[in-house]
Parts: sequence; structure tokens; C-alpha cells
Amino acid sequence: GQNIDQPTEMTATEGAIVQINCTYQTSGFNGLFWYQQHAGEAPTFLSYNVLDGLEEKGRFSSFLSRSKGYSYLLLKELQMKDSASYLCAPMDSNYQLIWGAGTKLIIKP
Amino acid sequence: IAGITQAPTSQILAAGRRMTLRCTQDMRHNAMYWYRQDLGLGLRLIHYSNTAGTTGKGEVPDGYSVSRANTDDFPLTLASAVPSQTSVYFCASSDRGNSPLHFGNGTRLTVT
Repeated sequence: GQNIDQPTEMTATEGAIVQINCTYQTSGFNGLFWYQQHAGEAPTFLSYNVLDGLEEKGRFSSFLSRSKGYSYLLLKELQMKDSASYLCAPMDSNYQLIWGAGTKLIIKP
Repeated sequence: IAGITQAPTSQILAAGRRMTLRCTQDMRHNAMYWYRQDLGLGLRLIHYSNTAGTTGKGEVPDGYSVSRANTDDFPLTLASAVPSQTSVYFCASSDRGNSPLHFGNGTRLTVT
């Protein structure tokens, strides 16, 4: 079957660095997306990885290892506005996204 | 501003009633999707459309129907609402297979 595994909740301190891990199993693979979702709002796109390695975009970076079925999202210089849920979503061979329940990130001052 | 518009924003509906959730995009995206999101669960795909005139069933299609008469509009209909359809519904669109999804602001539906 297809499944996603992410921690349910994480807590970090303002200004620090946090890494949110995601392991996945899919039927085929066409890349992996990370989305951010603030409470009561729609998800918004953060990053896309299709090849192994690290993609850096400002304070956010995303890593992919296809052989391990593993990705992580790295958030640096945490700000209070980064408090949100982070959704890992690999894309299967039919170009359908497989969604986990997400990781709720709580930032403390 | 380009994007996806969903209506209504929220709705309380009596069980057994019919309801259509509206979704319109102005980005000329080919693919459109309807998801529901429930607490503690990931987004679940209800129906999708890869291009105008075609639709497909997702993970949880029962009790829902869709149509795609043109590129811009993708309404979701609940023929006879049941309390288990209480959820937040998101419409989304994408340009092509592995493009990011753009989401509407969602419709919060309560079926009593």
C-alpha cells in the first residue's frame, strides 16, 4: 500500500533550526512536495524534490533520498509565523499526491 | 488576482439536503481536484479532472459527484448530505502532472 509517516507534533524555539522528517511508500514516484498550512487556512506550496539531494530556498531547505523513501524539511532561523502544519506529499506513478496527516510545528519564544 | 475561488466559505446543512460547492479558477489550469480534510487525517481526494470534459474518482468518492463543463469551473455536489460529510473541503488546481497544487480557501461544511 501507499503510506506516509511524519511526526504528529514538534516544538522548537524562535531563532533555532528544526528538521521535519518524512518517510514514504508509494507505487511509483514522480517527486515529493512539501506544503505549509496555517490553522484555518489552505495549504501553500513550499518545495518540490524529484532528484536526490538538497534544494535550498531561503530559510527553508528540502532533502530527498529516493532509495530510502525519505525526505526532510529544514527550517532555519525560526520565526513565530512558522507555527503551522507541514505536509509531506509524494506523487505516485499516476501523478496523484499521497498526503500524510502533517506535522504540527509549535514555535515558542 | 489570479487564483481559485470557492463558495460558500461555510455552510450548515440539514441531513438529506442537496448542496453544491462551487470552485472557479482563472489560471487556465488543466487539472482540478476536490479534497476533504478532517482533523487528524491527511487530505483525501474525492474527485479530480485532468482536463475539461473528463472526471475521475479519488479515494473517497461515494456520496459526491462532479462535473467539468469548462476549464474554469469544477463544482462538487452532495446529492443527499449525511453527517459524516461534515468536513473542510478544498478545491485545487495544477497546470500539469507534477506542478504544485494551488488551493482555494476552503468551504467548512457542517451537516446536522
